[in-house]
This record gives sequence, structure tokens and C-alpha cells, in this order.
Amino acid sequence: AQRVTQPEKLLSVFKGAPVELKCNYSYSGSPELFWYVQYSRQRLQLLLRHISRESIKGFTADLNKGETSFHLKKPFAQEEDSAMYYCAPSPGGFKTIFGAGTRLFVKA
Amino acid sequence: DAMVIQNPRYQVTQFGKPVTLSCSQTLNHNVMYWYQQKSSQAPKLLFHYYDKDFNNEADTPDNFQSRRPNTSFCFLDIRSPGLGDAAMYLCATSSQGLADDNEQFFGPGTRLTVL
Repeated sequence: AQRVTQPEKLLSVFKGAPVELKCNYSYSGSPELFWYVQYSRQRLQLLLRHISRESIKGFTADLNKGETSFHLKKPFAQEEDSAMYYCAPSPGGFKTIFGAGTRLFVKA
Repeated sequence: DAMVIQNPRYQVTQFGKPVTLSCSQTLNHNVMYWYQQKSSQAPKLLFHYYDKDFNNEADTPDNFQSRRPNTSFCFLDIRSPGLGDAAMYLCATSSQGLADDNEQFFGPGTRLTVL
């Protein structure tokens, strides 16, 4: 079955510490992979997409096809990174499957 | 600014009383989606329109219907809301073409309460 797993519901780190939000997926083929973010009182929005291999707000995401993982990383967390993060594979067509989300809390 | 707009932001209805949620977009995107998101859960796709073609998810209850009268507007109709339908409803759009990926642009959501 097609599934995306974000094992941590809540992740709490201190400002300046590295952060890694985990995502594992189980899909056949090569889905497009996205991370979406929702800041407090804001709408859900795209953070980054795998295909462009970009770094946004200091975040990067590494695809490991062998492990079928797409973990989101940032070397030095900032307070403004506190938000809800969703891993979202798109297996094809117009469909995107959202993980349950990880709430990141960056403490001062 | 081009955007996705949802009205109302908060909707209260009674058990069994039909309700319609509205979404409009100024992005001129050809795909529009409706998601249901319950507390602490992932957004769950209910259906989407590709232009005028309606695509229902297999597990979307018959109680949920949608209309897209033109490119800009899409409606979610809940024919007989139950207590379990209380949730945040998200509208999203995407532009599907040769050079486009499946990035979705979301509205702020409508929070539905069923009394």
C-alpha cells in the first residue's frame, strides 16, 4: 500500500542545534517528493521539492532511494523555524499524499 | 496578489443540514483539490478537478460532492453533515503542464463545526 510515515509527532530542539525531520515512504516507481510547512496562523505552503535540489531557509532534504527516505535537515535551527512540517510524496498524476506531520518547536 | 481564497473561514451547521464551502483562485490553475483535515491528522484528499473532469477518491463518502462551474471557483457540498464531518477543509490548486510539477497552493481553510 502507498504510505508515508513521519515517525515523530513532536520534535523539540534548542536554537542553534541541528534538526532532522524524518520521512519514509513506500511507493512503487519514483514519486516526486515535497516538504510542506505550516507556520502558526498561516496557510500550508511548499517548503522545498526534491527535483530542484534546492536549499530553502537553510533546509535541505536528501532522497535515499535504498531506504525510501526523504529526511528534512537544517544544521542550525532558528526560533522562526517552529512550525508543522509535512512530508508529501506525489506518486503520479495529480495526487499528493501527506504524512501526519511533525511539529517542530525551537526553544530559545 | 494571486491566491486561493476560501469562504467562510468558519462555518457552523446543524447535524443533517446541508452546507456548502466555497473556494476561489486567481492563479488560473487548471487543477483544484479539496482536502479534509481532522485534528492532528494529515490532510486527506477528497477529490480533485482537472479542468472540468471530476476525480473522486475511492474512500470519499457519497455525502461529499463538489462543483466547479468555472476555472476560478470550486464548491464542496456536504449533503447531510454528521458529527464526524467536523474538520478543517482545505482547498488547493496546481498548474499541470509540461514544465510544471505538482506543487500545490493552499487556501487558509474553512473550519466546519457540526452541532
